[in-house]
Amino acid sequence: AQSVTQLGSHVSVSEGALVLLRCNYSSSVPPYLFWYVQYPNQGLQLLLKYTTGATLVKGINGFEAEFKKSETSFHLTKPSAHMSDAAEYFCAVSDNFNKFYFGSGTKLNVKP
Amino acid sequence: NAGVTQTPKFQVLKTGQSMTLQCAQDMNHEYMSWYRQDPGMGLRLIHYSVGAGITDQGEVPNGYNVSRSTTEDFPLRLLSAAPSQTSVYFCASSYGGGAANTGELFFGEGSRLTVL
Repeated sequence: AQSVTQLGSHVSVSEGALVLLRCNYSSSVPPYLFWYVQYPNQGLQLLLKYTTGATLVKGINGFEAEFKKSETSFHLTKPSAHMSDAAEYFCAVSDNFNKFYFGSGTKLNVKP
Repeated sequence: NAGVTQTPKFQVLKTGQSMTLQCAQDMNHEYMSWYRQDPGMGLRLIHYSVGAGITDQGEVPNGYNVSRSTTEDFPLRLLSAAPSQTSVYFCASSYGGGAANTGELFFGEGSRLTVL
């Protein structure tokens, strides 16, 4: 069975500060890993994904994540937070693109 | 571009009533799925379909039925609603199997269901 753990249900940063959202997964097979963002009263949108190849992946809006197999982690980072980054972020794992398992989410607050 | 369309956006039911949440996509996606989102629990997969006529269960299928008679539509049926089914429901689609599949899910805007 696969599972995803997101440490910190709420993260607060100042505008311009580093954003770090943590994601650890468990999977019995090499996983496909995803980060999605959800703005209030909307569906989820893909930020970035790791399927194969380079372990450092870049996504939209300046976000990036690094797949670390030895640590079973896929943490999301952004060098400089913007007010528009305030949203809820979900990490997800899949082994075959049929069943996706989502973490419980991290709400990012950006202070002016 | 319509993408994934869910109806209704809001619904209030009484315990024991039945209803269907509709989901339609216009991207010719083979794969469609239903999730429920509950506070502190993220999204949990209810049912999914890899093509017309093919459905399978996810993590939390009990109390829900699905069918897939066309590529475009994937309705979710609650036969006898219970308060535990109060949630926000999301439909998502993807390209499906083969080289075209990048794994990206395209989500609808959600349907908020309250069961009294």
